[in-house]
Amino acid sequence: DAGITQSPRHKVTETGTPVTLRCHQTENHRYMYWYRQDPGHGLRLIHYSYGVKDTDKGEVSDGYSVSRSKTEDFLLTLESATSSQTSVYFCAIRNDSAGNTIYFGEGSWLTVV
Amino acid sequence: KQEVTQIPAALSVPEGENLVLNCSFTDSAIYNLQWFRQDPGKGLTSLLLIQSSQREQTSGRLNASLDKSSGRSTLYIAASQPGDSATYLCAVAYSGAGSYQLTFGKGTKLSVIP
Repeated sequence: DAGITQSPRHKVTETGTPVTLRCHQTENHRYMYWYRQDPGHGLRLIHYSYGVKDTDKGEVSDGYSVSRSKTEDFLLTLESATSSQTSVYFCAIRNDSAGNTIYFGEGSWLTVV
Repeated sequence: KQEVTQIPAALSVPEGENLVLNCSFTDSAIYNLQWFRQDPGKGLTSLLLIQSSQREQTSGRLNASLDKSSGRSTLYIAASQPGDSATYLCAVAYSGAGSYQLTFGKGTKLSVIP
């Protein structure tokens, strides 16, 4: 357990509305990641962060933005949610003082109707 | 681009059996390889991490091996139990586009029958 909390854990939203998912960590890890997991596609990287205000795109970043104003929080925003963004979203941290072990949060289930 | 394959996609075994899960990757220039377990509706739990310089890691009934030259890793589970039923994923860390990248396999769904 790397002290990762995701919120909300479950959300149903309407197409076209903005949605923000929050990832909070308690151990001051530098690297944080947002993934989505879908049947048939597995886990795919959306965005990642390597420090406060330092972020970069992943494999499936279109339609998503991120922000990291504090070490402990990494926010994922869907500016205008679409049905194709219905998915399970996982936050992860990389512990670079423990061999770069990756730890995941419990996930956020998002349904866009 | 690194590709990670896990075969089989699903596996069913009777309780008590020893079993091996397979993970293969296309680019042998990796930093490390990590095995995870995922229960339905849950996040991923880290099981074992093998650094590129290591050949194997053990934790309890689990043993993971790494053969970089052949692009393969195996997760050995001894004396399987119904509580081992879950999806097991492997992830390979490598240098891509100048940064640390992770690629995941799609997992092997394990069912241990009492």
